[in-house]
Amino acid sequence: KQEVTQIPAALSVPEGENLVLNCSFTDSAIYNLQWFRQDPGKGLTSLLLIQSSQREQTSGRLNASLDKSSGRSTLYIAASQPGDSATYLCAVEADSWGKLQFGAGTQVVVTP
Amino acid sequence: DTGVSQNPRHKITKRGQNVTFRCDPISEHNRLYWYRQTLGQGPEFLTYFQNEAQLEKSRLLSDRFSAERPKGSFSTLEIQRTEQGDSAMYLCASSLGTSGGIRSQETQYFGPGTRLLVL
Repeated sequence: KQEVTQIPAALSVPEGENLVLNCSFTDSAIYNLQWFRQDPGKGLTSLLLIQSSQREQTSGRLNASLDKSSGRSTLYIAASQPGDSATYLCAVEADSWGKLQFGAGTQVVVTP
Repeated sequence: DTGVSQNPRHKITKRGQNVTFRCDPISEHNRLYWYRQTLGQGPEFLTYFQNEAQLEKSRLLSDRFSAERPKGSFSTLEIQRTEQGDSAMYLCASSLGTSGGIRSQETQYFGPGTRLLVL
């Protein structure tokens, strides 16, 4: 059974520091891995999608890596800003229908 | 771009009542998903539609839950005889899958969710 874990559960950094968020999964047979952002009481916003054949994806200040063999993904956010404060969720797509299995998220606070 | 919309955004009901939520996906998306999220947890998959066909249901979806997607457009999720444990955020997502059921390589776009509180 696939399990997705995110550590740490919460993280606080001063503005300008780089953020490193970790995601691990137990079954390497995935189609892709996605990172989402969720603001309090809101829905999810997709940040990056990494196909199983890819090693990383980049979008602006965001970079996500994927190591399927070790069951790990890392989301890097460069030069953090207070507006980056949110909960970040990773999810793996492990079946052909697109069903996502999520981790519990990492709550990030960036202090001015 | 209208995105995925969900109504209502908030619902407070008494235990034992029935509730119905609506999701309007992005118009060209043929796949629609329902998830449930409780406080401090990631979303959990409930059910999935390809066009109008409901193709998978989670064990979380007891017989009190029913979902429909008539004509492959909007979807409704109904909870009968609500219980306090049903209190959660109900999220809808849509994506563009290829025809023939081949796996989608498109990201899922989520709606703002419907927050349900059962008293």
